[in-house]
Amino acid sequence: SQTIHQWPATLVQPVGSPLSLECTVEGTSNPNLYWYRQAAGRGLQLLFYSIGIDQISSEVPQNLSASRPQDRQFILSSKKLLLSDSGFYLCAWSVMKFVVHREETQYFGPGTRLLVL
Amino acid sequence: AQTVTQSQPEMSVQEAETVTLSCTYDTSESDYYLFWYKQPPSRQMILVIRQEAYKQQNATENRFSVNFQKAAKSFSLKISDSQLGDAAMYFCARFDSNYQLIWGAGTKLIIKP
Repeated sequence: SQTIHQWPATLVQPVGSPLSLECTVEGTSNPNLYWYRQAAGRGLQLLFYSIGIDQISSEVPQNLSASRPQDRQFILSSKKLLLSDSGFYLCAWSVMKFVVHREETQYFGPGTRLLVL
Repeated sequence: AQTVTQSQPEMSVQEAETVTLSCTYDTSESDYYLFWYKQPPSRQMILVIRQEAYKQQNATENRFSVNFQKAAKSFSLKISDSQLGDAAMYFCARFDSNYQLIWGAGTKLIIKP
């Protein structure tokens, strides 16, 4: 079965410090990978998605970046954190299938709570 | 705009009763998928149920079922025999052709013991 891990679970960082959040998927190969951010009491905002090891798309211009050093590893980074980067970061994976039609369901990791002070 | 709308910010139901959460969406596509996700206080996003737009039959997963009205672009979630563990935020989402989930704003479900 597939599992998805995120770490750290919680992070408190000062403004201007760097950031690295890691997401790893087990039990599948060549997954699509996603980074979302969720502000308190709000819906999800897609930040980045990757459909291949050299294919990363950014949805929101900001001071965050994403990388995919391995097939099942997705990293979210920042060189200098802003107060507005605080939030809950969720990583998700999916595998696209073609049955009658294209199917794709996203499964989420446990998330990382980031507080920038 | 390709949007997903959840018009109920908060709903409450007595334990063991049935509750329906509403969701409407806008799309120009004919082939798509719809999802309900649950986010408990732990904040992990958990898939509840999925509906393929090309299927006329409504999806069911144990106590959870949907009422999918394609022409009306409506996708409601019915929870039968509500349990305390069902208390959570519920998000409706639609998968589009650009590898993206379009999310609703969520409905907070409160279960009264």
